[in-house]
Amino acid sequence: DQQVKQNSPSLSVQEGRISILNCDYTNSMFDYFLWYKKYPAEGPTFLISISSIKDKNEDGRFTVFLNKSAKHLSLHIVPSQPGDSAVYFCAASALNTDKLIFGTGTRLQVFP
Amino acid sequence: DARVTQTPRHKVTEMGQEVTMRCQPILGHNTVFWYRQTMMQGLELLAYFRNRAPLDDSGMPKDRFSAEMPDATLATLKIQPSEPRDSAVYFCASGLTAQGYGYTFGSGTRLTVV
Repeated sequence: DQQVKQNSPSLSVQEGRISILNCDYTNSMFDYFLWYKKYPAEGPTFLISISSIKDKNEDGRFTVFLNKSAKHLSLHIVPSQPGDSAVYFCAASALNTDKLIFGTGTRLQVFP
Repeated sequence: DARVTQTPRHKVTEMGQEVTMRCQPILGHNTVFWYRQTMMQGLELLAYFRNRAPLDDSGMPKDRFSAEMPDATLATLKIQPSEPRDSAVYFCASGLTAQGYGYTFGSGTRLTVV
């Protein structure tokens, strides 16, 4: 049972445009959400996070939006750069646990 | 620059052999995770420890997988006997809490069972 879902396995975006990566979750106990970025042959690295008490968190070119009623979050990258090409994982945790449950990932390709 | 160190980086083994993967978490981190990356499941949680005590290993096939933390500087994941379906990249991660910056991952062990 996949509690965190990333339904788009891949996304291709032109440099300078917006990239929008989506994530859905099923467990209503999740209250903290993170995005990780992964390059080939490396481990995932933390990108940005959001608590369930917020609906938006911004860090430079990266913004995460949370819609609790829809159990949906999205990562916006503006403007997209070729160096953003990587696999992006959405992850979630519940208040009473430190477990991070990950989605299946979305491969983003930013082309010139 | 603190990092999680995993060894070996690559392992090729024959079906039926024992495989041991090692992880050195970042000093001071009290929570350690083992994840497996597959195409279909993404990053699957296999097991995790807090203060060296196992908290959850429900993601592991119990009959062949085992995870331990002999001390605070070493976590191990063993597969015995290994099977071709175990071929994947195995990641170790450590941290203090899921909040804030989450956990720091190692570079992974790519396991191939032939």
